[in-house]
Amino acid sequence: SAVISQKPSRDICQRGTSLTIQCQVDSQVTMMFWYRQQPGQSLTLIATANQGSEATYESGFVIDKFPISRPNLTFSTLTVSNMSPEDSSIYLCSGKDRAFTDTQYFGPGTRLTVL
Amino acid sequence: GNSVTQMEGPVTLSEEAFLTINCTYTATGYPSLFWYVQYPGEGLQLLLKATKADDKGSNKGFEATYRKETTSFHLEKGSVQVSDSAVYFCALSDRNSNYQLIWGAGTKLIIKP
Repeated sequence: SAVISQKPSRDICQRGTSLTIQCQVDSQVTMMFWYRQQPGQSLTLIATANQGSEATYESGFVIDKFPISRPNLTFSTLTVSNMSPEDSSIYLCSGKDRAFTDTQYFGPGTRLTVL
Repeated sequence: GNSVTQMEGPVTLSEEAFLTINCTYTATGYPSLFWYVQYPGEGLQLLLKATKADDKGSNKGFEATYRKETTSFHLEKGSVQVSDSAVYFCALSDRNSNYQLIWGAGTKLIIKP
C-alpha cells in the first residue's frame, strides 16, 4: 500500500485568494487523483493528475480554477484559485499504486474554510 | 452508468450490537467493490475490498461479501464498539472506467456506550 501525506492539513483563507495543497506519496504510484468532499457529502472527483502533462478534469471542474501539477511519480499539487465561500471543503488526494490494480489510498485531507 | 446506493444514516447502535450497512450497486462490467471508513476529522482509510463474485473482504471484525446475484456488498460486524463511530463509504471501481471510484453517499454510524 501507499502512504500519502498532505500539506496543509487545514487553512482559513480570505475570499479572492488562492491556496496550493501539496500531496506526497511514499512510493511511486501510477495514478494520482484529487477529490473534493463538501460538508456532510460524499467525494467528488476533481481531476486525475498526470505526470508531466496536463491533468484530466471531470465535468464541472476547470484548469483555471483548479490548476494541478504532477512533476514526478510521488508528488502533486492542487491550487484552489480565486476562492469563494463555496470552495470551503475537504480536499483529498489519492494514489493507485500499480497498473491494473484498482485500490486507491488516500491522504488525510486538507480542510479549507473560505471567509 | 455505474452507481452505488447506500442506506441512509445516521445509524445509531448500542455498543456490542450487530451492524449491517446496506450497499447495492449498478455496473455494466465486473467491478471491484470497496468499503472505506472516515473517522471524525480524518481522511479515508480502505477498510476492505472484494474483486470478484462470492469474494469476502474482511478487516478489523468487519466483513462484506460480493453478491453478484443481488448486486450487493453489505457491510457487517458482529459486535460494534464506540471506536467504530465513523462515516462508511461503499464504492466500486471498473476497469472500463479507467479504475475511477464511484462512491455511495456515505453512512454515518454512531455507537453509544
